[in-house]
Amino acid sequence: DGGITQSPKYLFRKEGQNVTLSCEQNLNHDAMYWYRQDPGQGLRLIYYSQIVNDFQKGDIAEGYSVSREKKESFPLTVTSAQKNPTAFYLCASSMGLTDTQYFGPGTRLTVL
Amino acid sequence: RKEVEQDPGPFNVPEGATVAFNCTYSNSASQSFFWYRQDCRKEPKLLMSVYSSGNEDGRFTAQLNRASQYISLLIRDSKLSDSATYLCVVNMAVSDYKLSFGAGTTVTVRA
Repeated sequence: DGGITQSPKYLFRKEGQNVTLSCEQNLNHDAMYWYRQDPGQGLRLIYYSQIVNDFQKGDIAEGYSVSREKKESFPLTVTSAQKNPTAFYLCASSMGLTDTQYFGPGTRLTVL
Repeated sequence: RKEVEQDPGPFNVPEGATVAFNCTYSNSASQSFFWYRQDCRKEPKLLMSVYSSGNEDGRFTAQLNRASQYISLLIRDSKLSDSATYLCVVNMAVSDYKLSFGAGTTVTVRA
């Protein structure tokens, strides 16, 4: 089955720790994205990548980092510099930047 | 002003009713439009794209009004399974990424 997987589903972190969220897709999509969703707000873009070894900052990139070493994978690291990291993180992919995006099941991060 | 605005609702409707709601966008140069459905604590899933001429998919009808800068979604013969949050998504770029997401409209269908 083709799709997007994210792991873990739930993640708890102590303040001051970095954590890495996994996102893998087998849809052969070139573009991948990371969003953050907070209650009562629309999704906000953290980073996106159009092709391997290239990525761009989104609207709220501060305190986050990404890599795109393989087409299938786009991990997101939430660093200790992110001041309010508790949120629902969604990974998405699409054929190209202007094509329909499909989302993974998300990771709920809670900072204790 | 937000780039994409939606009435958060909730819209509480009985089974079989028709419910409709709008989404306004601020950038007149916006290129493409979508409705996504998001169930509680789940990921958004594409419901339908919105075309200039309007389009229908079963019980769902989407319309685009460029002059007034809004899109609409109408659900006919509501089912309990239609209960969800509906996200309006607007792409403001021609050849690059510039998606804006509304915060969503919550619909609750009751028996």
